[in-house]
Amino acid sequence: EPEVTQTPSHQVTQMGQEVILRCVPISNHLYFYWYRQILGQKVEFLVSFYNNEISEKSEIFDDQFSVERPDGSNFTLKIRSTKLEDSAMYFCASSLGYAGTDTQYFGPGTRLTVL
Amino acid sequence: AQTVTQSQPEMSVQEAETVTLSCTYDTSESDYYLFWYKQPPSRQMILVIRQEAYKQQNATENRFSVNFQKAAKSFSLKISDSQLGDAAMYFCAYRSGDGGSQGNLIFGKGTKLSVKP
Repeated sequence: EPEVTQTPSHQVTQMGQEVILRCVPISNHLYFYWYRQILGQKVEFLVSFYNNEISEKSEIFDDQFSVERPDGSNFTLKIRSTKLEDSAMYFCASSLGYAGTDTQYFGPGTRLTVL
Repeated sequence: AQTVTQSQPEMSVQEAETVTLSCTYDTSESDYYLFWYKQPPSRQMILVIRQEAYKQQNATENRFSVNFQKAAKSFSLKISDSQLGDAAMYFCAYRSGDGGSQGNLIFGKGTKLSVKP
């Protein structure tokens, strides 16, 4: 069964450094998402992406964040200058369509640790 | 803004028994979807069950069923004949209806379910 994959599984970085988290969505899916989960907190929506554009973004998704689909398979989340509070599990998801009946399939996550 | 609340941080059930996980939500919308996602220790979230708000009938998927009380804004998950593989974190989630622009999921904090052999 097709799966969303994410790399790396764990990323450790120094505060102020740039990080890029990578995701390979399910191949025929058209909508892509990033969510994050700070330890012990809720899973929070960051951004959705369709047709090479951001569809929606939350207030968490400020100018430090950017997303890109650099080729036909990868979907990346870049954090320009990491802060301690960016430490979290980052989940990528994809869906075939945008309707509520279109299941969002999640990847296993990337644990980001900012020191 | 919509919110989702799961009041049970942890639950435990004996294998083969039935357990119910609670979820309440707050919204002023009339059209929306509700979901239960399961996150096993491997951490990949998997959709367990979905409920469309306009449907009065409670959704069922094999051993998993929901009790959807729209007026009370309650959406509980019942797991029957619990199995060891059901042990996971369970997240309740809300999504606005298709007429709106908010396609993102809004999650509760999760309930950690343990299954005792």
